[in-house]
Amino acid sequence: RKEVEQDPGPFNVPEGATVAFNCTYSNSASQSFFWYRQDCRKEPKLLMSVYSSGNEDGRFTAQLNRASQYISLLIRDSKLSDSATYLCVVDSNYQLIWGAGTKLIIKP
Amino acid sequence: NAGVTQTPKFQVLKTGQSMTLQCAQDMNHNSMYWYRQDPGMGLRLIYYSASEGTTDKGEVPNGYNVSRLNKREFSLRLESAAPSQTSVYFCASSEVAAGPSTDTQYFGPGTRLTVL
Repeated sequence: RKEVEQDPGPFNVPEGATVAFNCTYSNSASQSFFWYRQDCRKEPKLLMSVYSSGNEDGRFTAQLNRASQYISLLIRDSKLSDSATYLCVVDSNYQLIWGAGTKLIIKP
Repeated sequence: NAGVTQTPKFQVLKTGQSMTLQCAQDMNHNSMYWYRQDPGMGLRLIYYSASEGTTDKGEVPNGYNVSRLNKREFSLRLESAAPSQTSVYFCASSEVAAGPSTDTQYFGPGTRLTVL
């Protein structure tokens, strides 16, 4: 089992819709969780950290479920510019483990 | 303020050739990293440098060497390139001077390397 797993997608979503995807992790001792965004043929950029209490940044909401060992990302009122690959990152034994990403395509 | 810069952007090598990938950051960050990204896989850490003068192996160090030339620059060298090293290489930096830290990482634009 991979340490960090994501559905590769693609998720094809109409503009304005709400979309959510999850990321599961295997190390129950993990403490730090992040979502990064990567545009096609570009570098990853931090989207948001994920806190135990959950956090929101505009149209984006990230949540952590420790019991089931997954984090989630919810995007409301999706825009064409949200099309990208979303990378889940989890710390494990003082290393950052990167998921392979979920590809999101927003259609007009 | 350029952030993290990498050179070259693209490179094609023949098996057995050597090359050095250059990386520089102007954010006065302590930690720097080299990753490779392959299709269908997450970023994998090759080497990192928690501070000037120190380097440590990551998950996939075989076939690579690194040099932390000063606080700004961190280079990655392939001594004898192999087709398995065909990948996209990203350099990153973060402020915190600790292992592969959980601080925000800032990435360069990447180098697309093909080894024939």
